[in-house]
Amino acid sequence: EIVLTQSPATLSLSPGERATLSCRASQSVSKYLAWYQQKPGQAPRLLIYDTSNRATDIPARFSGSGSGTDFTLTISSLEPEDFAVYFCQQRKNWPLYTFGQGTKLEIK
Amino acid sequence: QLQLQESGPGLVKPSETLSLTCTVSGGSISSRSFHWGWIRQAPGKGLEWIGSIYYSGSTYYSASLKSRVTMSVDTSTNQFSLSLRSVTAADAAVYYCAREGGSSLDYWGQGTLVAVSS
Repeated sequence: EIVLTQSPATLSLSPGERATLSCRASQSVSKYLAWYQQKPGQAPRLLIYDTSNRATDIPARFSGSGSGTDFTLTISSLEPEDFAVYFCQQRKNWPLYTFGQGTKLEIK
Repeated sequence: QLQLQESGPGLVKPSETLSLTCTVSGGSISSRSFHWGWIRQAPGKGLEWIGSIYYSGSTYYSASLKSRVTMSVDTSTNQFSLSLRSVTAADAAVYYCAREGGSSLDYWGQGTLVAVSS
């Protein structure tokens, strides 16, 4: 099973700052890495799929990069509504999904 | 706009079977482009994929839950279902249904909280 490790566990930043979230896979997942945002009491929302493609209606301040085992979600300038928990997810070994443990992005 | 809605009991007794249904609206569950999945999240924890089903009835389950899970699909009602047998307190979670678009989950239901208690 491919294990995804996210870092940091918690990231404290201020609105307007740049956020960089990391996801590392225990083996190559090729390009099949997605990112989700989850706010309290809500379902996860797909942000990025296949490493770098923004999902429908996702603002351009969200971007994804990486390949193989190391991936990054970048939020270029934090808006108040961006403070949430972020999960990465892989599906290299279709049809099985695995998720990272999450990074909590909190207001500093 | 595609919408998914979970339904089912919010409380299940230990050793019994958890049964949930996901109703899809705004799109057809018979689309050949998508699978349909279940994901759960224990309180304060991360996301765990349970399994997926295709409109034809083909299923794929998490290795850790495979012995206790059954999924089914009803194209006439645009619904798919989850059964999880012999539940314990460890199965208490918010259960989500979602559409699998390629390698990611692009539409999610709002989730339903299931408690396990006698």
